[in-house]
Amino acid sequence: AQSVTQLGSHVSVSEGALVLLRCNYSSSVPPYLFWYVQYPNQGLQLLLKYTTGATLVKGINGFEAEFKKSETSFHLTKPSAHMSDAAEYFCAVSSTSGTYKYIFGTGTRLKVLA
Amino acid sequence: EPEVTQTPSHQVTQMGQEVILRCVPISNHLYFYWYRQILGQKVEFLVSFYNNEISEKSEIFDDQFSVERPDGSNFTLKIRSTKLEDSAMYFCASSRGGPNTGELFFGEGSRLTVL
Repeated sequence: AQSVTQLGSHVSVSEGALVLLRCNYSSSVPPYLFWYVQYPNQGLQLLLKYTTGATLVKGINGFEAEFKKSETSFHLTKPSAHMSDAAEYFCAVSSTSGTYKYIFGTGTRLKVLA
Repeated sequence: EPEVTQTPSHQVTQMGQEVILRCVPISNHLYFYWYRQILGQKVEFLVSFYNNEISEKSEIFDDQFSVERPDGSNFTLKIRSTKLEDSAMYFCASSRGGPNTGELFFGEGSRLTVL
């Protein structure tokens, strides 16, 4: 069975500091991996995704993530945090073998301090 | 830019009442999904729908729940007799291909409050 673990339900960074949100997955088959962002009272917006190919993927708003198979990780990073990055971030995994669902992590709430 | 739209944005209902949440997926998408998020918790898969039938459902999706695509545009989630624990944000999503071909596009959610 697939699962996603996000370490740290709350992360605080100073404006301009590095953002690192951690995601580890468990999957018996090569997964597809996603990061979604949820701003207050809004839906889920795709930040970036890894399906195949290059393991370093770039997304919107300056975010990127690296798929590391050996570590079963897909951590999300941004070199310099902006106040507008404050939101909840969800990592998700989808199997490549026929299931129709994404499995989401429990989310990490990012707070950006002035 | 095409988007998934959901109505109502917020519904308050009494326990035991029937609720229908409506979604209009992106027009050329073929796969449809419902997820829910209980306040402060993770987003949970409920059901996926393709070719006018359920493709997969979770253990949460019991006999109280049903989905329907009554016409060419709407995709509905019905809760037959709501319970307090059904209070959550319900997200509709759609995709052009199956989930192993790309991303799901999510609506802004319908908040259901059961009193």
